[in-house]
Amino acid sequence: QVQLQESGPGLVKPSQTLSLTCTVSGGSINGGSYYWSWIRQPAGKGLEWIGRVYSSGNTNYNPSLKSRVTISIDTSKNQFSLKLSSVTAADTAVYYCARENWSGYSSDVWGQGTTVTVSS
Amino acid sequence: DIQMTQSPSSLSASVGDRVTITCRASQSINNFLNWYQQKPGKAPKLLIYSASSLQSGVPSRFSGSGSDTDFTLTISSLQPEDFATYYCQQSYTTPQTFGQGTRLEI
Repeated sequence: QVQLQESGPGLVKPSQTLSLTCTVSGGSINGGSYYWSWIRQPAGKGLEWIGRVYSSGNTNYNPSLKSRVTISIDTSKNQFSLKLSSVTAADTAVYYCARENWSGYSSDVWGQGTTVTVSS
Repeated sequence: DIQMTQSPSSLSASVGDRVTITCRASQSINNFLNWYQQKPGKAPKLLIYSASSLQSGVPSRFSGSGSDTDFTLTISSLQPEDFATYYCQQSYTTPQTFGQGTRLEI
């Protein structure tokens, strides 16, 4: 079955760029009826949708983050990535990657999540 | 953005109880409504998609209903493993948005 795994630094300094990668195993990231998404959750709070990418490279972003976010995909490596620039403490959260199924555009497979702390 | 409002924010119940959580959208989302369960320290798990479709592998005690702006998640007979936080999500348009969560406690 498809599995997702996030990786990247757990600590980022303010004003720098947060970079995370999601590696997909057990299935191909190329084509199919799926988007590949990033979602985050500050400690003790709710879920925030960051954005998604299709295998073609087409993206959708949350307007609240759009000026700072880039989501890209590397089908040769079966990975997709998140870059969030000019981070502040407000960007401290657990970051999840997920597969968004075109059946209802629901996120049916999730990574375990990775905690990113923004601090000097 | 479409605002999603869940009620209640928290709920105390007992094993065997029937529980209903509601979710209201700030505008019509057709049936593009999904429900997730999240346990502490874990990623959310998809329970229901498209308002009423049961995700594969999810017990049949979970059910969803509704359309347009008003939706419900029902657990017919609570089991110990069901105590968790539940989120609704609209996938009608981007940015997708989530409800604030309903914490289901013993």
